[in-house]
Amino acid sequence: QVQLQESGPGLVKPSGTLPLTCTVSGGSINSRNWWTWVRQPPGKGLEWIGEVSHSGSTNYNPSLKSRVTLSVDKSKNQFSLNLRSVTAADTAVYYCAKNGGNSDFDYWGQGTLVSVSS
Amino acid sequence: QSVLTQPPSVSAAPGQKVTISCSGSNSNIGNNYVSWYQQLPGTAPKLLIYENNKRPSGIPDRFSGSKSGTSATLGITGLQTGDEADYYCGTWDSSLSAGVFGGGTKLTVL
Repeated sequence: QVQLQESGPGLVKPSGTLPLTCTVSGGSINSRNWWTWVRQPPGKGLEWIGEVSHSGSTNYNPSLKSRVTLSVDKSKNQFSLNLRSVTAADTAVYYCAKNGGNSDFDYWGQGTLVSVSS
Repeated sequence: QSVLTQPPSVSAAPGQKVTISCSGSNSNIGNNYVSWYQQLPGTAPKLLIYENNKRPSGIPDRFSGSKSGTSATLGITGLQTGDEADYYCGTWDSSLSAGVFGGGTKLTVL
């Protein structure tokens, strides 16, 4: 059973960088899967941020592409998100998820709330 | 403004059936698989339906999915109070080269 766990700061200052890591257990990040980040602002819907493959290929949400970098660390069985130049609008619960095969997400982390505030 | 359009809310009585629609375009639903997620209050989304109409192991057959053209539908029969949640549709958008979700539908079991 694959499990995912997000980790990172709960508070980031405006204009700073939001770094999050997702640790995968019960499975290898080196499998032929894509790994995804999704966020959910308080009281709002889901927003797809982007995905990274086991080899480091990426796809990004066009609205966030200029500020986002996704990467994979196979040695740690982790994948990461860096979101630059954050504002209060980036305050959200951030989820990491495993792609099931056809743009569906079969395993999710529990989510981590990140607030952007000075 | 979400790429996929869902009704904000639906409601039905326990034991009844409800459907939730998800409308898109040829660049997303029309040419890609649709998935559905259930999000109970305070929890992460859970995959209910993948590849338009397939259920992961452990999902009861009260939940069903279908797709026609540029729209998809989630059906839930034998409604239970425990089904009260937010439901999201999702797919790939080939024009955006990105994943997209609907705005979500809040199900109330009266």
